Amino acid sequence: GAGVSQSPSNKVTEKGKDVELRCDPISGHTALYWYRQSLGQGLEFLIYFQGNSAPDKSGLPSDRFSAERTGGSVSTLTIQRTQQEDSAVYLCASSLALAGEGEQYFGPGTRLTVT
Amino acid sequence: AQSVTQLDSQVPVFEEAPVELRCNYSSSVSVYLFWYVQYPNQGLQLLLKYLSGSTLVKGINGFEAEFNKSQTSFHLRKPSVHISDTAEYFCAVRDTGRRALTFGSGTRLQVQP
Repeated sequence: GAGVSQSPSNKVTEKGKDVELRCDPISGHTALYWYRQSLGQGLEFLIYFQGNSAPDKSGLPSDRFSAERTGGSVSTLTIQRTQQEDSAVYLCASSLALAGEGEQYFGPGTRLTVT
Repeated sequence: AQSVTQLDSQVPVFEEAPVELRCNYSSSVSVYLFWYVQYPNQGLQLLLKYLSGSTLVKGINGFEAEFNKSQTSFHLRKPSVHISDTAEYFCAVRDTGRRALTFGSGTRLQVQP
């Protein structure tokens, strides 16, 4: 079956512009996560959605970052007024919402370069 | 809050040799433990996980890991590596009350012929 997909695979943008990154989770997975992988910070959690519950936004680095999940499926991560330190690979993952477990399946990532 | 330490940023090893990638964690609550592998230009793939029960867990591609609660470690081992095992390996923890994973900084395994 299809895995987690992300688009675009690569994005180059100018400092100060807004970007939107998209994630399509595995069908039937109710939990969705965004992580960021950068040279300086490693792999860091950004935000987590679970069904209709309020998202866990505790990992978002600043108020320039936001995410939404429409209809419990597709998610969009938006970065406003991009900065060079936002350059990273943004990874999306999804999982079944099994109590305590729920293996996370990762997408291939979107490589964002801010020039 | 949890943290994960992978002491070795790079591990060079010859093909067919054994390897151990070290992972230590700190947490004030019960955790689940994971090892992920990332091949060049690919996403993360789960190698194995410890949730409960036997402290020795076996994963894909001949890897295994042992959970040691007293030493707060979850080292990854393989008795005989292949060139195709060349990749970056990440240890991760998740406390049983949250969903977010906390990752270590990764260990690059370089298998040489």
